Amino acid sequence: QVQLVESGGGVVQPGRSLRLSCTASGFTFSSHGIHWVRQAPGKGLEWVAVISYDGSKTNYADPVKGRFTISRDDSDNTVYLQLGGVTAADTAVYYCARDWQRRFSPIYYLDHWGQGTPVTVSS
Amino acid sequence: DIQMTQSPSSLSASVGDRVTITCRASQEMNNWVAWYQQKPGKAPKSLISAASNLESGVSSRFSGSVSGTDFTLTISSLQPEDFATYYCQQYYSYPPTYGPGTRVDL
Repeated sequence: QVQLVESGGGVVQPGRSLRLSCTASGFTFSSHGIHWVRQAPGKGLEWVAVISYDGSKTNYADPVKGRFTISRDDSDNTVYLQLGGVTAADTAVYYCARDWQRRFSPIYYLDHWGQGTPVTVSS
Repeated sequence: DIQMTQSPSSLSASVGDRVTITCRASQEMNNWVAWYQQKPGKAPKSLISAASNLESGVSSRFSGSVSGTDFTLTISSLQPEDFATYYCQQYYSYPPTYGPGTRVDL
């Protein structure tokens, strides 16, 4: 079955960096785009970033553009989200999720989600 | 960005009730709307894509429909495991955006 497992969350000081990982199994990883979506405490869902199935395209939400970087390593079935210059507004649970589309550009429908990893920005 | 509004923001219901949640988009978007269910402390789960396509393994008591820019999620007979928060999401245009959620509780 499709599984996505996030890791790497924790407490990080304002202005510092943190790298999140999302390791996938149960499907052909190299055929799907992968997204990151976050949820601040008590709030709704906010799309953060996506990387295409072949890694050739990335997109970012405006609040994180220039600070976050998404990448993938198909040899490890893993997608990374590098968080940089974090602020309190980045405090959230970060979920990775699979794009439904196979071997084409992502359509932004997320059909499988990981359990999330929490990030707290605090001094 | 396309704005998605949901109503109601919360509702109280009983087991066996028929529940309807509506999501209104700020512009026409064909049928590119999905619905997700989220239970406390858990990840979202996809229920419906393209306004009315039920995800594999999702109970048939869930259904989706569309009329113009109004998208509706219906639970035909609420079960104990359905108490959760429901989000709509548009994926018609970039960036994808979510509704604020509808909490369904007892």
